Amino acid sequence: DTAVSQTPKYLVTQMGNDKSIKCEQNLGHDTMYWYKQDSKKFLKIMFSYNNKELIINETVPNRFSPKSPDKAHLNLHINSLELGDSAVYFCASRTELNTEAFFGQGTRLTVV
Amino acid sequence: AQSVTQPDIHITVSEGASLELRCNYSYGATPYLFWYVQSPGQGLQLLLKYFSGDTLVQGIKGFEAEFKRSQSSFNLRKPSVHWSDAAEYFCAVGAHYGQNFVFGPGTRLSVLP
Repeated sequence: DTAVSQTPKYLVTQMGNDKSIKCEQNLGHDTMYWYKQDSKKFLKIMFSYNNKELIINETVPNRFSPKSPDKAHLNLHINSLELGDSAVYFCASRTELNTEAFFGQGTRLTVV
Repeated sequence: AQSVTQPDIHITVSEGASLELRCNYSYGATPYLFWYVQSPGQGLQLLLKYFSGDTLVQGIKGFEAEFKRSQSSFNLRKPSVHWSDAAEYFCAVGAHYGQNFVFGPGTRLSVLP
């Protein structure tokens, strides 16, 4: 069983489109994250949710909107995609009892 | 707020040689420290973690790391590198539950045959 799963794994889309990336964790964790990894491999936190409540919201364009329908899911919706949004996006989850973060396999987004 | 630096962007070692990857952190309280590895095209896998207690921690794949509070460091070591260790290595610091989980910029390890 996959602990943290993201879909899709690859996403190629044109500038200006709106797209969503889905994330689900079956670990029973209370906290979920979205990270962006740029071409230089730098991992930058974007959002963190705890029990469906937004905890961390780093400096991210408001075209990016996270949605957490329940504790096990944290989806990322991106409006009006730009070339600079091309990156790998990672979802992760974590809990107070087990403080390392568990990561999904990533979604490679390419905006053309 | 936490921050992490990894001074070496890229390190090349020969197979069988020893390895040390450096990590320095900044955090006002006792940190939780982690090393992750990312193979090309893959997600992040936890190598080891430090929460408290013994400052020398053992991880998977023969890696170990030592926490030195006086130097704010958490360096990763391996006595003999294998070609399959070639990957990107990330040091991370986490604090309390629900708060930021911050990564360093990463160190790319290349292994020569």
